[in-house]
Amino acid sequence: EPEVTQTPSHQVTQMGQEVILRCVPISNHLYFYWYRQILGQKVEFLVSFYNNEISEKSEIFDDQFSVERPDGSNFTLKIRSTKLEDSAMYFCASNPGQGVGGYTFGSGTRLTVV
Amino acid sequence: GENVEQHPSTLSVQEGDSAVIKCTYSDSASNYFPWYKQELGKRPQLIIDIRSNVGEKKDQRIAVTLNKTAKHFSLHITETQPEDSAVYFCAAWNYGQNFVFGPGTRLSVLP
Repeated sequence: EPEVTQTPSHQVTQMGQEVILRCVPISNHLYFYWYRQILGQKVEFLVSFYNNEISEKSEIFDDQFSVERPDGSNFTLKIRSTKLEDSAMYFCASNPGQGVGGYTFGSGTRLTVV
Repeated sequence: GENVEQHPSTLSVQEGDSAVIKCTYSDSASNYFPWYKQELGKRPQLIIDIRSNVGEKKDQRIAVTLNKTAKHFSLHITETQPEDSAVYFCAAWNYGQNFVFGPGTRLSVLP
C-alpha cells in the first residue's frame, strides 16, 4: 500500500537553528499538508499546498515557517530560528484530490529543540 | 471556523466492556467525520469514518453514529481489548477545507 514517508524520524536542534523536515507524498497525490502535534495535545493544521503554492495556512504558520516542493517528489517544511515551543511531532499528509478519499498521514518527524 | 470538542478526555474500561467517545462540531457545513487511533509516538491511523448522508456505520467491533441536527457524532467500541488502548481523535472536515481535530480521548482498557 502506498505510504507517505517522512525523514528524519527524529531531529534534535539547537534553539535558533533552522531545520528542514522532509516528506515524500504518495506519487499521484496533488494536495499536501503539514500538521503539528505538541506532546499530549491534539493534531493541529499548519498549511496546505496545491499546484506549487500555499492554498491555506493557519495562524500557527507564521513567517518562521515555509514550505516548498523543490522537485517532483519532495515536500519540505522549513522552520527558521527554532524556538523551544516548536518541539512537537510534525506530520505530513497527502491527498489525491480535493475530496477526502485517500487522505494519508506520514509517520511523522519528532522535532526536539534544545 | 470549525471547532470540535471531544469527551471524555480520559476513559478507563474493563476488558470486554464497551467504550463510547463523543464529539461535537460547530460548522454545519462539515460533511465528513473520521476517527483516528493514535498509539504512542505513532501517526494517527484512520479506524472508521462517516459522511453526513449516513447516520450510522459499523465495522466489526467499532461503530460511529452521527446526529447532524445536533451536530454530534460518537465512536462506539464493543468488547474492548487491551490493544484498543490508545488516544482516539475525532475530526471534522468540509469539502475544500482541512481537518479540524478534537482534543483526543485517552482510552485505557484494563485486563
